[in-house]
Amino acid sequence: EVQLLESGGDLVQPGGSLRLSCAASGFTFSDSAMNWVRQAPGKGLEWVSAIGGSGVTTYYADSVKGRFTISRDTSKNTLYLQMNSLRAEDTAIYYCAKSTTAVAKGYYDYWGRGTLVTVSS
Amino acid sequence: DIQMTQSPSTLSAAVGDRVTITCRASQSINSWLAWYQQKPGKAPKVLIYKASSLESGVPSRFSGSGSGTEFTLTISSLQPDDFATFYCQQYSSYSGTFGQGTKVEIK
Repeated sequence: EVQLLESGGDLVQPGGSLRLSCAASGFTFSDSAMNWVRQAPGKGLEWVSAIGGSGVTTYYADSVKGRFTISRDTSKNTLYLQMNSLRAEDTAIYYCAKSTTAVAKGYYDYWGRGTLVTVSS
Repeated sequence: DIQMTQSPSTLSAAVGDRVTITCRASQSINSWLAWYQQKPGKAPKVLIYKASSLESGVPSRFSGSGSGTEFTLTISSLQPDDFATFYCQQYSSYSGTFGQGTKVEIK
């Protein structure tokens, strides 16, 4: 059974940093691109970042480019999102989602339950 | 970047109604489109991929159609469990852009 479990969400001050993790199980981790998608309170889904199965290729939304870094550790079956220079508008539930392909162009067949990031002073 | 626009934003319908939601892409995405259902407090769940393919385990009352820039999601007979928010997503490019969502409410 595929499982994705996010962690690391917290209350952080503007300008601060946070690292999210997503522990994956139930599938061959390197066979799937992985993604971060966020949802601000009461709002829709926003794609944030993607990483290919090999970990070599990464992609970012313009809203986070230069501030967020996606990475993965195949030995730990874990996806990460390093978030720096956080802003109030980054407040959201962050979901990790598994792509159906190794390149970051598939649809998302499994999602975690999400972790809440709140940026506020 | 490819923009996705859904309509309507909110839809009121009764159990048994036929419901159609539209999604438009700002440029051609061929058939690289998925539809997701999200219930309050839950993660999204995929219903349709490649515009018209039904994900395993999804009831057959859900169907998708379209290609290029215009797509539709149809629920043939709305059931109580279907009241939720629906999102389209393009995966033609590396940024998997979502539509803004359509909330299906009880009439």
